[in-house]
Amino acid sequence: QSALTQPASVSGSPGQSITISCTGTSSNIDDYNFVSWYQQHPGEAPKLIIFSVTDRPSGVSNRFSASKSGNTASLTISGLQPEDEADYYCSSYTASSTWVFGGGTKLTVL
Amino acid sequence: EMELVESGGGLAPPGGSLRLSCAASGFTVNSYDMNWVRQAPGRGLEWLASFTGSSGNIYYAESVKGRFTISRDDSKNSLYLQMNTLRAEDTALYYCARVEGDLVAIDYWGQGTMVTVSS
Repeated sequence: QSALTQPASVSGSPGQSITISCTGTSSNIDDYNFVSWYQQHPGEAPKLIIFSVTDRPSGVSNRFSASKSGNTASLTISGLQPEDEADYYCSSYTASSTWVFGGGTKLTVL
Repeated sequence: EMELVESGGGLAPPGGSLRLSCAASGFTVNSYDMNWVRQAPGRGLEWLASFTGSSGNIYYAESVKGRFTISRDDSKNSLYLQMNTLRAEDTALYYCARVEGDLVAIDYWGQGTMVTVSS
């Protein structure tokens, strides 16, 4: 049950786009389209922003998009805004009916 | 409105036990898969255990298997996590979380209950 691999931090200026990668294995990301992404602001519970690799829940900005290629999923945030500064976690349901999270990526909006 | 409220956290000595509770409202827990997820101070999210809605199957992370037990009380619409043989590394904020089956993603989280393991 190794964690998915994410960069520890990324940064960008307002208006720019950034991409966060999430690397897994054939037991999770590669074989399943059950990748989700969560945004967590300090002191708050995580919030679902992407499910099923590419889909956004109702109410989530279309500035958030995601994709997957092989065993790597990616989250892109376009038109960065100050309120996007947060921690972002990827997650995947696995072949053994368990869940795994990435280590998290801290996004800094410069 | 859907809500998850965790309780039962606190200070426990190494080797001790705690039982966390998660009271759900606005939906019935036995209609959904439910997870426990924790977050150590300054660290990332770690999935701990799942109790599936329909089948009642249970799954654990290797890090807690044999020490933690997830359970559900449908009459109380609640989820529980019995934590035994606690270690310092179990110190974390413990979240109860609902899985939306159609999304295969966690769509609702509680606010968490803090567990501190220390002598």
